[in-house]
Amino acid sequence: DVKVTQSSRYLVKRTGEKVFLECVQDMDHENMFWYRQDPGLGLRLIYFSYDVKMKEKGDIPEGYSVSREKKERFSLILESASTNQTSMYLCASSILQGARQETQYFGPGTRLLVL
Amino acid sequence: DQQVKQNSPSLSVQEGRISILNCDYTNSMFDYFLWYKKYPAEGPTFLISISSIKDKNEDGRFTVFLNKSAKHLSLHIVPSQPGDSAVYFCAASARGTSYGKLTFGQGTILTVHP
Repeated sequence: DVKVTQSSRYLVKRTGEKVFLECVQDMDHENMFWYRQDPGLGLRLIYFSYDVKMKEKGDIPEGYSVSREKKERFSLILESASTNQTSMYLCASSILQGARQETQYFGPGTRLLVL
Repeated sequence: DQQVKQNSPSLSVQEGRISILNCDYTNSMFDYFLWYKKYPAEGPTFLISISSIKDKNEDGRFTVFLNKSAKHLSLHIVPSQPGDSAVYFCAASARGTSYGKLTFGQGTILTVHP
């Protein structure tokens, strides 16, 4: 059974703080993703990684960075948190299935409140 | 630019009846489509998918229909159960996309009343 875990379920931070969100998957997946979920906007891709130390920008990367030093771990960093980054953050990973890799497995999410 | 759209924010259905959730897309390069289900305080879970070479895929109570000419897909749940109450997201993948990037819709909140 695939397991994707996120370090915190709830976080409260102050404007300007540096915030780290951690994600770990236990199935040796190549690809990992960070999304944010906001009402009426669905899931929007922030960054993804297809290998250790490799990363690509998603649709809304501004204000975020990522780190992937080990295959199983993918970190999302808010360099200087702002109130508009209050959101639900979801991590996902995907496995290679033949020529397609679309089925993504999600963690439980981190609800971040920036005051 | 919302390439995948779920125009109904919510849907309310009686237990035992059919639930139909709709999704429209604009990118003609999309060739693989998925539905995810999300309960509050949990991550989305994969429900069912369909390739553009098919127009229907069935898995138990869940059936996805794809109308390529209309760029429309729908998820049918029959019969609906209270445990189906959740947010449903459709997602799409484009031909030639590497690394399994998905584009998600806004989601539809389904409520199934006992």
